[in-house]
Amino acid sequence: QSALTQPASVSGSPGQSITISCIGTTGDVGGYNYVSWYQQHPGKAPKLMIYDVTYRPSGVSRRFSGSKSGNMASLTITGLQAEDEADYYCSSYTSINTRVFGTGTKVTVL
Amino acid sequence: QVHLQESGPGLVKPSETLSLVCSVSGGSISGYFWGWIRQPPGKGLEWIAYLHSSGNSNSNPSLKSRISVSMDTAKNQISLNLRSVTAADTAVYFCARYCLVGKCLDIWGQGTLVTVSS
Repeated sequence: QSALTQPASVSGSPGQSITISCIGTTGDVGGYNYVSWYQQHPGKAPKLMIYDVTYRPSGVSRRFSGSKSGNMASLTITGLQAEDEADYYCSSYTSINTRVFGTGTKVTVL
Repeated sequence: QVHLQESGPGLVKPSETLSLVCSVSGGSISGYFWGWIRQPPGKGLEWIAYLHSSGNSNSNPSLKSRISVSMDTAKNQISLNLRSVTAADTAVYFCARYCLVGKCLDIWGQGTLVTVSS
């Protein structure tokens, strides 16, 4: 199975909004509403930020939101803060009952 | 709260078997799906496998022939064995719990680095 495609890097100034894309196929992102997003700071374990495309776990800031259109999912961060600087990974359920992660996006707060 | 801790040898020789254990505290492993994920140094996350106390499991097609996963409910542990390792299997290995609602991983261990080298 191939990794989902994400931009290598995205940057923004504090207070701005950024969007990270996650492109898959009809066998994963496009076929199911089971896309999740994870934030990973250096040397740390990933943290769940969004699940099932649009749902936010308890404790995750409302500044994080998810969406999907066709084979592309997106994570939007509004009101960018210094603490948002991290790597972000999307993940999807697949048609063969496995999971696949995205290639990862480094978010830089300018 | 639930806490996951991975353990195992930090160094494995090529062609040997990598064996890791994930010890779960603060809750039972029964009734949940559990997963293994790895991350080569400086690279992205790779999904390895999932398993459930019912015996239901599946693994990454690229690793399926070398992988075995199991659970010990008495010890509250999940195990991963990866056979015939090469340098490409050098990575931080994470165990994680699947969400009860939604297809996601909501609790992660801190990860353990395994280096494959002679």
